[in-house]
Amino acid sequence: AQKITQTQPGMFVQEKEAVTLDCTYDTSDPSYGLFWYKQPSSGEMIFLIYQGSYDQQNATEGRYSLNFQKARKSANLVISASQLGDSAMYFCAMREIQGAQKLVFGQGTRLTINP
Amino acid sequence: NAGVMQNPRHLVRRRGQEARLRCSPMKGHSHVYWYRQLPEEGLKFMVYLQKENIIDESGMPKERFSAEFPKEGPSILRIQQVVRGDSAAYFCASLPPYGGMNTEAFFGQGTRLTVV
Repeated sequence: AQKITQTQPGMFVQEKEAVTLDCTYDTSDPSYGLFWYKQPSSGEMIFLIYQGSYDQQNATEGRYSLNFQKARKSANLVISASQLGDSAMYFCAMREIQGAQKLVFGQGTRLTINP
Repeated sequence: NAGVMQNPRHLVRRRGQEARLRCSPMKGHSHVYWYRQLPEEGLKFMVYLQKENIIDESGMPKERFSAEFPKEGPSILRIQQVVRGDSAAYFCASLPPYGGMNTEAFFGQGTRLTVV
């Protein structure tokens, strides 16, 4: 079963607009963590933001925020005031406390910011 | 993250040869993940290692692939008798020994394996 689902293969956004990247997950574990990573064309994986399953508030890191809706099992990434440098692949990932706590990734969304 | 070192960055092997990919985790980190990424796809979990111990190898192909993380030295992902389908980017990520659920995994730059 797919643990992490990112339904948007590609997104095109005008510079300075806000963008929401979707992520839904599947787990029966009450304790888990959700991560977003950015992968620019150079290939490295850059950590952006983390949300814990017990966190009461949505995580924020600068222009990044996470719209966490636990009942819907969704953890959408919101990028405010998009910049050309935001063009990249974005991956949602989850770690469950059960088992080996391995980090499982979604298929990713390719975000392109247009000037 | 510059702290996790993978080498080589690019590796070309002929079909049937062996590929050895190395990962030196960040200082103080004792847990390592290996992932494989095909073009335009996500990262597929392969194996999760602790020093001298394999924690989870559920993503490793049953044949030709092996991984180790010795007490001293880097973690090694070994692919024997490579085939064209092994061509991919292989990423290593490391974690500290007592990280909680919110512990960020730090990734290396990846090794791009090309089988010709």
